[in-house]
Amino acid sequence: GENVEQHPSTLSVQEGDSAVIKCTYSDSASNYFPWYKQELGKRPQLIIDIRSNVGEKKDQRIAVTLNKTAKHFSLHITETQPEDSAVYFCASEGGSARQLTFGSGTQLTVLP
Amino acid sequence: EPEVTQTPSHQVTQMGQEVILRCVPISNHLYFYWYRQILGQKVEFLVSFYNNEISEKSEIFDDQFSVERPDGSNFTLKIRSTKLEDSAMYFCASSESGGITYEQYFGPGTRLTVT
Repeated sequence: GENVEQHPSTLSVQEGDSAVIKCTYSDSASNYFPWYKQELGKRPQLIIDIRSNVGEKKDQRIAVTLNKTAKHFSLHITETQPEDSAVYFCASEGGSARQLTFGSGTQLTVLP
Repeated sequence: EPEVTQTPSHQVTQMGQEVILRCVPISNHLYFYWYRQILGQKVEFLVSFYNNEISEKSEIFDDQFSVERPDGSNFTLKIRSTKLEDSAMYFCASSESGGITYEQYFGPGTRLTVT
């Protein structure tokens, strides 16, 4: 089955700096890659996603890049703010039911 | 904006007891999912449900688990005889079928504690 690796597991940045989280996946048939933000005790919230027919997508301070040849994708957050502090999960969608396989998560801490 | 809802928010049960977790997916969605998240770990896929039947299930989803859509709105996960290791947050999710929309929207979760 699909395997998604995510790095780093923890990331601390100063407010205003950029944060980058990287994921790799194993199933070349996967074609949809969402990123979820999860605050403590809350549900995962979709923050951005990318489909396999594009290489980059941006939404304000958040961007995602995809390299299908290398099977990796990355989340970029610019001008980080304390409210960006949360656990971020990457995922890939595959299988006949389009179920998500999640990475292990990155605890992002933005220091004021 | 429509949201997936789940009840209860927290369920405490004794080992060996049956529990039923309930979800109301977004009304025009056709794919339904259950995921679980053990404290501090990643979200794991359990089962997907489409057209009134299971479409995929993971190794975690053994004979102790079952899902049902008893009416036009609810989607339930039943654990027949709970074990300590079933303690986790259980998330329901739903998505539209077909088209170009694949987003899965998650409910707030049910925290299951097995004692």
